[in-house]
Amino acid sequence: EPEVTQTPSHQVTQMGQEVILRCVPISNHLYFYWYRQILGQKVEFLVSFYNNEISEKSEIFDDQFSVERPDGSNFTLKIRSTKLEDSAMYFCANDNWREANYGYTFGSGTRLTVV
Amino acid sequence: DQQVKQNSPSLSVQEGRISILNCDYTNSMFDYFLWYKKYPAEGPTFLISISSIKDKNEDGRFTVFLNKSAKHLSLHIVPSQPGDSAVYFCAASPSQGGSEKLVFGKGMKLTVNP
Repeated sequence: EPEVTQTPSHQVTQMGQEVILRCVPISNHLYFYWYRQILGQKVEFLVSFYNNEISEKSEIFDDQFSVERPDGSNFTLKIRSTKLEDSAMYFCANDNWREANYGYTFGSGTRLTVV
Repeated sequence: DQQVKQNSPSLSVQEGRISILNCDYTNSMFDYFLWYKKYPAEGPTFLISISSIKDKNEDGRFTVFLNKSAKHLSLHIVPSQPGDSAVYFCAASPSQGGSEKLVFGKGMKLTVNP
């Protein structure tokens, strides 16, 4: 079964540092998402990406966040200057609308710890 | 603003019995509903979905029921197995597929005891 791969699995960073979270999506899937889950809280939508541009973003996705597909395959989430409250599990997800009956496919997540 | 609510944080059932997980939503624009299962240190895994044009969808041991008038859906697992122990998330979307985001509930931890 196709998988979404995320790296690293765990990242510890100093407050104020930049981090880049990476995702290798399922090939031929058209829509890409980032979600996050702060410990003990619900999974929250951050941003959706289609056709090399942002489709929608949440209030969480402020100017400190950016996404791109630098090489047409990998999908990255960058946080320019991390804050303590950015500590969370970050999940990448794919959706191909032709296969939408089967829901989104999520990666296993990157645990970001900001100290 | 909790658009998708899972009011019970946990449920414990005996193996072989039925597990019923409930979910309520407030946004009448939601048209497509999904259940995800999540194990520790893994991402959510799609389980089953239902479109608003249906009131029931069944897949093996898993059945999702949708009551649009009550804005309520439930997931039934029967018979429950120890391997079903996980956190279950209810999610909703304004449409099926495309670039629509999913709105998740807070999740409910299911424990199936042998």
